[in-house]
Amino acid sequence: RKEVEQDPGPFNVPEGATVAFNCTYSNSASQSFFWYRQDCRKEPKLLMSVYSSGNEDGRFTAQLNRASQYISLLIRDSKLSDSATYLCVVNEGTYKYIFGTGTRLKVLA
Amino acid sequence: GAVVSQHPSWVICKSGTSVKIECRSLDFQATTMFWYRQFPKQSLMLMATSNEGSKATYEQGVEKDKFLINHASLTLSTLTVTSAHPEDSSFYICSAWGTSGEETQYFGPGTRLLVL
Repeated sequence: RKEVEQDPGPFNVPEGATVAFNCTYSNSASQSFFWYRQDCRKEPKLLMSVYSSGNEDGRFTAQLNRASQYISLLIRDSKLSDSATYLCVVNEGTYKYIFGTGTRLKVLA
Repeated sequence: GAVVSQHPSWVICKSGTSVKIECRSLDFQATTMFWYRQFPKQSLMLMATSNEGSKATYEQGVEKDKFLINHASLTLSTLTVTSAHPEDSSFYICSAWGTSGEETQYFGPGTRLLVL
């Protein structure tokens, strides 16, 4: 089993749609969790951290379920500019970041 | 957020050439930097952790004599791909641990290496 697993997609959705991604992780001792966005041929950029209580930033909502060992990202009212690969990142402690392979999102006009 | 730069952004070289990539933290000091490699449609794979003033820590399977890392100052780490071969062609990304806003890793823009 991979340490961090994501559905690679692509998820093709129309503008304005709501889309959700899940990511599962295998190490129950993982300490912190993040969603990064990576555009084609660019570096990953932090989208948001994921807290146990859940957190929201505009159209984006992230949640963590420690019991089931997964995190989720919900994007509401999708924009064309949301098209990218979304990377699930798990911190297993002391700078040890594990990246998922990413989920590709294509928002269609 | 914290700014990390990388240079060069693109390298095309002949097989057998050594290539040096620089990673700089521009507005903060980074005692620890990281070097990743990403092949097409794959996730980022950590190659090594670069520690200022000491030897880098390499991940399993990464040849330390092939990928030389030097972290001579708090704002600069370099990765040298020695005697590069076509299979070394990849996207190399550095990151630095920062506390600008979020305490997390901030990534450089990456260096795309193509070895002919």
